[in-house]
Amino acid sequence: QITLKESGPTLVKPTQTLTLTCTFSGFSLSTSGVGVGWIRQPPGKALEWLALIYWDDDKRYSPSLKSRLTITKDTSKNQVVLTMTNMDPVDTATYYCAHWEYSSSSFDIWGQGTMVTVSS
Amino acid sequence: QSALTQPASVSGSPGQSITISCTGTSSDVGGYNYVSWYQQHPGKAPKLMIYEVSNRPSGVSNRFSGSKSGNTASLTISGLQAEDEADYYCSSYTSSSLVVFGGGTKLTVL
Repeated sequence: QITLKESGPTLVKPTQTLTLTCTFSGFSLSTSGVGVGWIRQPPGKALEWLALIYWDDDKRYSPSLKSRLTITKDTSKNQVVLTMTNMDPVDTATYYCAHWEYSSSSFDIWGQGTMVTVSS
Repeated sequence: QSALTQPASVSGSPGQSITISCTGTSSDVGGYNYVSWYQQHPGKAPKLMIYEVSNRPSGVSNRFSGSKSGNTASLTISGLQAEDEADYYCSSYTSSSLVVFGGGTKLTVL
């Protein structure tokens, strides 16, 4: 059974760097065809894809946020970390991590999400 | 990359069928059979309902079906039930090996 859980601060100040951790179980990020992605959703708004990391350490980023995002993996800990620099109130959102199934190019299992508020 | 275009809202009565469209470009929806649909109930995480345009994951009702024509994908829900009331998002893989979501559609069951 695949599960994912996001963790990190609930409140960050403008200009600070956000670090979120996705801890997962039920699969290994060293297995071919596996990936983990991050998606966010501002209150009352649509989903927005942020980043994706594959088993072979290939990384993809949303073009609009690429300069602010870094995604890394720690295979031994079954974790994926997303950092976002220069946080702004518009970045207030629920942040989800999800298991990416390479063969179908879809997010088949999602974490519960973590709400991050950006405010001074 | 621009978000895929979905209608803001659709509605239907119990037992009816509804269709939600998702329009992209030849660089995403039209170029690949990697369109997915997600259902999201209020306060919950999204749930995969359709992948690769028309495939259903195990456990998803066969009342949900997907299709694609050109740059537009569609999700059809037949035999509408109260529990189907939710937000629905389409997503596509793109030519740049990226992912793009639609703006979401709120389904109301009358």
